[in-house]
Amino acid sequence: GAVVSQHPSWVICKSGTSVKIECRSLDFQATTMFWYRQFPKQSLMLMATSNEGSKATYEQGVEKDKFLINHASLTLSTLTVTSAHPEDSSFYICSAKGQGAGYGYTFGSGTRLTVV
Amino acid sequence: GQQLNQSPQSMFIQEGEDVSMNCTSSSIFNTWLWYKQDPGEGPVLLIALYKAGELTSNGRLTAQFGITRKDSFLNISASIPSDVGIYFCAGHLSGANSKLTFGKGITLSVRP
Repeated sequence: GAVVSQHPSWVICKSGTSVKIECRSLDFQATTMFWYRQFPKQSLMLMATSNEGSKATYEQGVEKDKFLINHASLTLSTLTVTSAHPEDSSFYICSAKGQGAGYGYTFGSGTRLTVV
Repeated sequence: GQQLNQSPQSMFIQEGEDVSMNCTSSSIFNTWLWYKQDPGEGPVLLIALYKAGELTSNGRLTAQFGITRKDSFLNISASIPSDVGIYFCAGHLSGANSKLTFGKGITLSVRP
């Protein structure tokens, strides 16, 4: 089945630094990738949608300069949290949608970001 | 943004019992998805429903796509401890900017 690999699974960084999270579709080509943020005991909040080779579409209230998304190939999207602050600490999850009707939305295993 | 209605927020059942979860929306979808999320992990797809009225099973799980296209339910039969987790419903409507709309999730606890 469709597999999405997300790396790293957890990261601790200092305030002011940037952190990059990778999302890879391992056995299918992902035409669209999605980035979510999840707070404890809450649902997934969509941050942005990215299509290969084009600019990401950000949801209202999400700072595009803060959360940089790059979808350079059909198998890789990256989310960079720039100048991270403690309030950026959260669980970030990516999802990939493949080509063709048979592919649903497959999620990565998530990245726990802690900014100290 | 829009969110699907899932309630209650938490459910507690005894091992071996059946449990049913419902998900409703004020607008229609043409795909309904049910996911399970374990702590510290991403959601894992349990069942996908593509047609109004469709009833689909996956082992002890059964889900149905409501005929109004505004609701779906998930049944878990003969629950076991590993069924513990958060269950999310998600709706999808095809289109140029299609994306999933999630419910708030139901946390299921199973007492041995």
